[in-house]
Amino acid sequence: RKEVEQDPGPFNVPEGATVAFNCTYSNSASQSFFWYRQDCRKEPKLLMSVYSSGNEDGRFTAQLNRASQYISLLIRDSKLSDSATYLCVVSSGTYKYIFGTGTRLKVLA
Amino acid sequence: GAGVSQSPRYKVAKRGQDVALRCDPISGHVSLFWYQQALGQGPEFLTYFQNEAQLDKSGLPSDRFFAERPEGSVSTLKIQRTQQEDSAVYLCASSLGHTNNQPQHFGDGTRLSIL
Repeated sequence: RKEVEQDPGPFNVPEGATVAFNCTYSNSASQSFFWYRQDCRKEPKLLMSVYSSGNEDGRFTAQLNRASQYISLLIRDSKLSDSATYLCVVSSGTYKYIFGTGTRLKVLA
Repeated sequence: GAGVSQSPRYKVAKRGQDVALRCDPISGHVSLFWYQQALGQGPEFLTYFQNEAQLDKSGLPSDRFFAERPEGSVSTLKIQRTQQEDSAVYLCASSLGHTNNQPQHFGDGTRLSIL
């Protein structure tokens, strides 16, 4: 079993829709969690950190469920420009990032 | 520049050749990371530097891979006697501190193709 698992998708959604991705992790000692966005042939860019209490940034909401060992990303009012691959990142009590394989999102006009 | 800079952007080499990939981190960033990203996969950790010290090289696939950061800023990833399975995007990232709650900032990557 991989340390960090994501549904690779693609998720095809119409503009304006709400879409949610989950990411599960196996290491219960994991302490830090992030969502990165990666456009085709570009570098990963930090979308948001994920805090225990959950956090929101505009149309994006991230949540952490430690008991079930998953994090989620909710995107409301999807835009065409949200089309990308969303990478889940988990880190234990060290510097090392463990990436999921990414979930591809395509927002359709 | 403001971000992490990598060069070359693209590299094509024949099997058996040696290659060197460069990373210029964000100024003042203590931590530097190298990752390998295969098509359709997430980045996989290769190695980590804190200043000039290579603290973790557990992700390097073989002894053909070597990384250095002699002055604690620019880093070079060298691959000797390249093989076709080395074809991938090599990403460099840096972060300000050395704890895992400091976000990592990535460069554009070097797309390596071994013929």
